[in-house]
Amino acid sequence: EIVMTQSPATLSVSPGERATLSCRASQSVSSNLAWYQQKPGQAPRLLIYGASTRATGIPARFSGSGSGTEFTLTISSLQSEDFAVYYCQQYNNWPPRLTFGGGTKVEIK
Amino acid sequence: EVQLVESGGGLVQPGGSLRLSCAASGFTFSSYWMHWVRQAPGKGLVWVSRINSDGSSTSYADSVKGRFTISRDNAKNTLYLQMNSLRAEDTAVYYCARSPPGAEYFQHWGQGTLVTVSS
Repeated sequence: EIVMTQSPATLSVSPGERATLSCRASQSVSSNLAWYQQKPGQAPRLLIYGASTRATGIPARFSGSGSGTEFTLTISSLQSEDFAVYYCQQYNNWPPRLTFGGGTKVEIK
Repeated sequence: EVQLVESGGGLVQPGGSLRLSCAASGFTFSSYWMHWVRQAPGKGLVWVSRINSDGSSTSYADSVKGRFTISRDNAKNTLYLQMNSLRAEDTAVYYCARSPPGAEYFQHWGQGTLVTVSS
C-alpha cells in the first residue's frame, strides 16, 4: 500500500497570507495525485487532479505542483472560506488501493 | 447537475448487516466507475470499494474484503454497499463518489450517510 503523509497537521495562517501544504508518497505515484477540501459537516470537494489541474469552478488562488513522491498545494491568498481540512489522495495503483493522506487543517491565525 | 444521494445508514449491533444505497442523477450513471469512501468520526478519509461501469469488476480495501460487497443497478441508477459482519471500527460516514473516465480520483461526492456499529 502506498502511504501518503501530509505536513503540517495544522497550519495557522492569517487571511490574505499564502499557505503551502505538503504531501509525500511512500513510492512514486507519477502525477496521479488529487487534492480535496473538506469543511465541517460537509463532503469533500475536489480541488486539484493530475497533481496540478484545477477542477471545474476552483479559484485560481489554488495551485498544485509536484510529481513522483513530493507534492504541494498552495493557496496564494487565503480567504475566509478557505479555512478547512485539506487531503491529498493518490490514484496510481492497479488494482486500486487508493489512499489518502491524513489531512492538513488550515486554521485562522 | 450531478447528484449523489446516500441512504440506509443507522445504528446496528456488532456482527450485524446493513445495506447502503446511493441514488445517482444528472449524468449517465452506467458510464462511470463508482466508489465508496468512509470517514470515522473526527478522522480522515478512507477508500472502501470500487465498481466499474457495468459491474463486472470490483475492488476492496483489505479492511472490508470478504465482509462488504459493492454492486450497482444501472437500470435504477443506484449504487449499493452490502455490509456484513459489522465491527465497531466500521462506524463512519459513508460517502459514494464518482470518478471520471480513466482515473480514480473523486470528482463528485454525495452528502454521506452515518453508520454506527454499537451494542
